[in-house]
Amino acid sequence: EAQVTQNPRYLITVTGKKLTVTCSQNMNHEYMSWYRQDPGLGLRQIYYSMNVEVTDKGDVPEGYKVSRKEKRNFPLILESPSPNQTSLYFCASSLAETYEQYFGPGTRLTVT
Amino acid sequence: GNSVTQMEGPVTLSEEAFLTINCTYTATGYPSLFWYVQYPGEGLQLLLKATKADDKGSNKGFEATYRKETTSFHLEKGSVQVSDSAVYFCALTGGGFKTIFGAGTRLFVKA
Repeated sequence: EAQVTQNPRYLITVTGKKLTVTCSQNMNHEYMSWYRQDPGLGLRQIYYSMNVEVTDKGDVPEGYKVSRKEKRNFPLILESPSPNQTSLYFCASSLAETYEQYFGPGTRLTVT
Repeated sequence: GNSVTQMEGPVTLSEEAFLTINCTYTATGYPSLFWYVQYPGEGLQLLLKATKADDKGSNKGFEATYRKETTSFHLEKGSVQVSDSAVYFCALTGGGFKTIFGAGTRLFVKA
């Protein structure tokens, strides 16, 4: 089954404790992206990647890191999480030709 | 920079009513335009898209036309069902994979 998977689905952590949210897709998509969803703001793009070792900032990259060492994986790293990073996070992937994005199920992160 | 503005919700309709959700955008270049739908507790799903001016995207009875002269991409459906209750997002992608979403419009359909 073609899908984007994210782990964990739920995470409660404390300020300053480094964490990684994994994202993997099995569709051989070139493009991948991370978003955060906050009430009234829609989805905002954090980082995106157009290929292995090629990443670029979206609209809200501060406090986040990403890497793309393999085509299928695109982890999101929070080196020192803060309460304002409490949000619902989505990973997505797309073929380069279409821009049609397939979304993962989301990761709800709470930072206390 | 690019931006997307959607009509605020929630929108409440009776079954079989006509639906319009307005979406306008500002963009440089020629972005692709999308509507995504989010059902409760789920991720987003692509509903329809258009890649150039005057293109009409359609799916599951929903339609939207890429209007460059009015910079709009309004979502319409002739007869909504209870199962259409969800949050609808307008989005544009251009300039690499840079994507901007609107704030979303929640739709409630009553039986």
